[in-house]
Amino acid sequence: GGIITQTPKFLIGQEGQKLTLKCQQNFNHDTMYWYRQDSGKGLRLIYYSITENDLQKGDLSEGYDASREKKSSFSLTVTSAQKNEMAVFLCASSIRGVNYAEQFFGPGTRLTVL
Amino acid sequence: QQKVQQSPESLIVPEGGMASLNCTSSDRNVDYFWWYRQHSGKSPKMLMSIFSNGEKEEGRFTVHLNKASLHTSLHIRDSQPSDSALYLCAASYQGGRALIFGTGTTVSVSP
Repeated sequence: GGIITQTPKFLIGQEGQKLTLKCQQNFNHDTMYWYRQDSGKGLRLIYYSITENDLQKGDLSEGYDASREKKSSFSLTVTSAQKNEMAVFLCASSIRGVNYAEQFFGPGTRLTVL
Repeated sequence: QQKVQQSPESLIVPEGGMASLNCTSSDRNVDYFWWYRQHSGKSPKMLMSIFSNGEKEEGRFTVHLNKASLHTSLHIRDSQPSDSALYLCAASYQGGRALIFGTGTTVSVSP
């Protein structure tokens, strides 16, 4: 077994601020993902990474940057927080191949922008 | 248009009843369908996956797949209050690079 940890659990920012979210996994999984979830609805893919130093854009990548410097960690940066933005950011990992393996999710970071 | 569409948006089921959830892909090149369950305030966890036509059963949960109609359904029999959750359908595609999630069905089981 393994675990995914996300920090911080809650993040409050100001409009225009640059904010960084972090994710660590000890599954030794190759692929890691960042999703955004609004109002308890579906997940939208922001970025994913199939190996260390690899980055692939998802449908929602505009306004975000990502970094995968180690196999076990994946960071997401909100480049300029939007006023009244509220969402949960979920990190996930899978053992291999993006499409054909179960994804395991972290507990999420809840973002509020004032 | 959403590539993976789920219906209904929400569902109220009496305890002990059957819940039926639907999911359709608008892209014919679908390979796998996945069902994830997310309890309120928690992260999604995979329930079941299916890639070949037919039916797959695990305990009280049954998944059907009809590849010709690009449709999968999840059925929960003998629903329990602990089944109250958001159910997310996801699809993976040939040559695709990531799972596509639907917007989910919220199931509420009333005691």
